[in-house]
Amino acid sequence: GNSVTQMEGPVTLSEEAFLTINCTYTATGYPSLFWYVQYPGEGLQLLLKATKADDKGSNKGFEATYRKETTSFHLEKGSVQVSDSAVYFCALSGAGGGADGLTFGKGTHLIIQP
Amino acid sequence: EAQVTQNPRYLITVTGKKLTVTCSQNMNHEYMSWYRQDPGLGLRQIYYSMNVEVTDKGDVPEGYKVSRKEKRNFPLILESPSPNQTSLYFCASSYTGVRGTEAFFGQGTRLTVV
Repeated sequence: GNSVTQMEGPVTLSEEAFLTINCTYTATGYPSLFWYVQYPGEGLQLLLKATKADDKGSNKGFEATYRKETTSFHLEKGSVQVSDSAVYFCALSGAGGGADGLTFGKGTHLIIQP
Repeated sequence: EAQVTQNPRYLITVTGKKLTVTCSQNMNHEYMSWYRQDPGLGLRQIYYSMNVEVTDKGDVPEGYKVSRKEKRNFPLILESPSPNQTSLYFCASSYTGVRGTEAFFGQGTRLTVV
């Protein structure tokens, strides 16, 4: 079956530091890949996505590139802010086409200190 | 505004007392699903529905029921709640288009069973 593995947290960084959150996946076929963000007390929001190999998703200064050869979708940001403190989830949707469920990683709690 | 609405946001109940968490979406999506979020486990799918009157088990369906009588609504039913169902629950609706699959999440329902 499908699975997503992401680095365990919490990850604590200082403001303006460079961020990488690793994510690797196992799936058959060609899944779509996502990063969701959950701010304290809120639901999940789509941060970015990529639907095919070598695609780069980007939003709010965050980027992730769909690497099929390494089955990875690492999240990066060049200079984090306190407001980026949240839980980040890597996820994939099945490769069979058509709407189906998301498989999530366990989440990475990011803490940015001023 | 496109949204998924869950109610209630917070609920404390006693073991064995039946409860229903409602979920409604206004995007005419065919696919809807329920997840539970637990510390260290990420989000796990409970049930999903691919259309009206079509539902199926996700990864952790035990102790839950769902129904899909209308396209917009997908309630989650706990016939006899137990303390191990204390969790944060999310409803989602999704679609797959030319740009891949995208899911929209409700704000979450924090359930405590005592």
